[in-house]
Amino acid sequence: AQKVTQAQTEISVVEKEDVTLDCVYETRDTTYYLFWYKQPPSGELVFLIRRNSFDEQNEISGRYSWNFQKSTSSFNFTITASQVVDSAVYFCALRLNRDDKIIFGKGTRLHILP
Amino acid sequence: DGGITQSPKYLFRKEGQNVTLSCEQNLNHDAMYWYRQDPGQGLRLIYYSQIVNDFQKGDIAEGYSVSREKKESFPLTVTSAQKNPTAFYLCASGAGWGVGTQYFGPGTRLLVL
Repeated sequence: AQKVTQAQTEISVVEKEDVTLDCVYETRDTTYYLFWYKQPPSGELVFLIRRNSFDEQNEISGRYSWNFQKSTSSFNFTITASQVVDSAVYFCALRLNRDDKIIFGKGTRLHILP
Repeated sequence: DGGITQSPKYLFRKEGQNVTLSCEQNLNHDAMYWYRQDPGQGLRLIYYSQIVNDFQKGDIAEGYSVSREKKESFPLTVTSAQKNPTAFYLCASGAGWGVGTQYFGPGTRLLVL
C-alpha cells in the first residue's frame, strides 16, 4: 500500500530562521511522482514542486529547496530565512505513474513568528 | 485568467437537503477531482473524472454524487445520505494520466444548520 507520512504536525520558528519539513513515503512502485503543496489561511492549495522518481537532483527555488533521497524514501522541504508569509499548512503527496490519484500526507502546520 | 473557480465560498445545508457545489476550470484539463478536507486531516478523494461523461469513485464517495457533462465543469452534490457533511471541499484539475500535477480551486466550506 502507498502512504505519505509527515511526522511534524505543527512547527513554530522565529522569522529568518531556516526550517525543514519532513516527508517520508512508502511505495513498491519504481515510477512515481512526489509533490509539495502550500495551503495558506485562505484555503487554496498552491502547487510548489513535482519530482519524478528518476530525478534525485535537489532543487532550489529562491528560499525554497527540496531534498529527494530514494534510499530513505524521503522528500524533505527546507525554507531558508523564513518569513511570516510562509506561515501555512504544507502537504507532501505521492502519485503512482500507473494511477490517477494523489495520496496526501496529513500536512505540517508552519507558524513563522515575527 | 486561467484557473479553477469554485462557488459558493460558503454553503449552508439544512437537514435532509441536497446541495450542489460548483467547480469550473478553463485550463483545458481533461481530469477533474473532488476532495474533502477535515481539520487535522489530509485531503481525501471523493470522486474523479478523467474524461467527459465518465467518473470514478474515490475513497469516500458514499453520500456524494457527481456529473461530468462538459469538460470545464464537475459539480459535486452532497446528498442527504451524507450524515457528516461539514467540511472544506476542494476541486482540482489536471492534464490526467502520466502528467500528475493537480491544480486546486479556492474551496467551498460547507456547514450544516
